[in-house]
Amino acid sequence: DTEVTQTPKHLVMGMTNKKSLKCEQHMGHRAMYWYKQKAKKPPELMFVYSYEKLSINESVPSRFSPECPNSSLLNLHLHALQPEDSALYLCASSQVGGGRPETQYFGPGTRLLVL
Amino acid sequence: KNQVEQSPQSLIILEGKNCTLQCNYTVSPFSNLRWYKQDTGRGPVSLTIMTFSENTKSNGRYTATLDADTKQSSLHITASQLSDSASYICVVWGTGTASKLTFGTGTRLQVTL
Repeated sequence: DTEVTQTPKHLVMGMTNKKSLKCEQHMGHRAMYWYKQKAKKPPELMFVYSYEKLSINESVPSRFSPECPNSSLLNLHLHALQPEDSALYLCASSQVGGGRPETQYFGPGTRLLVL
Repeated sequence: KNQVEQSPQSLIILEGKNCTLQCNYTVSPFSNLRWYKQDTGRGPVSLTIMTFSENTKSNGRYTATLDADTKQSSLHITASQLSDSASYICVVWGTGTASKLTFGTGTRLQVTL
């Protein structure tokens, strides 16, 4: 199974709502990532978890709150978002490097629209 | 500043033709370079990963080259198919202080009949 799944596929939310994005992989990967991608732009790294611990936070606003409850799951909790947060949110996973480059496997993304 | 620049921004070719996409980077120290294919509204899919010592790597009709001296890479697509229509993203992973993925802005390829 080389698949990363993400739910929901689409999400529309108001600025006062609280919602969560979910990501799951069963490849035994111990590194998981959240990216944000605006239209016609490359993905921007938001967070990296390594062995279920947050290792990188790219100065993301606190209205985005990641959570890694176990080695297969990664959540992104959303609260009080702004319209400019509308984007495609991508989850990825990989083996943890050990000096060797590791392929990141991306999920299909959640397309988020904030009204 | 670590940057990855791709050219052309967009490209339209006829089915069956070959094409070459370019990637120039300034990321240093360099670890590896990756090419991804991203269909519209989908997540990127890895095509190749190349380390400092690798000059060429193939994956079916896709062939990537790397010149670490000039900090340039290319992705050559042979006998293009309609399904090759997508964005192709060059991603460079640095080491040390540059230890993160730096994404290029991508080349949007359209293959037509």
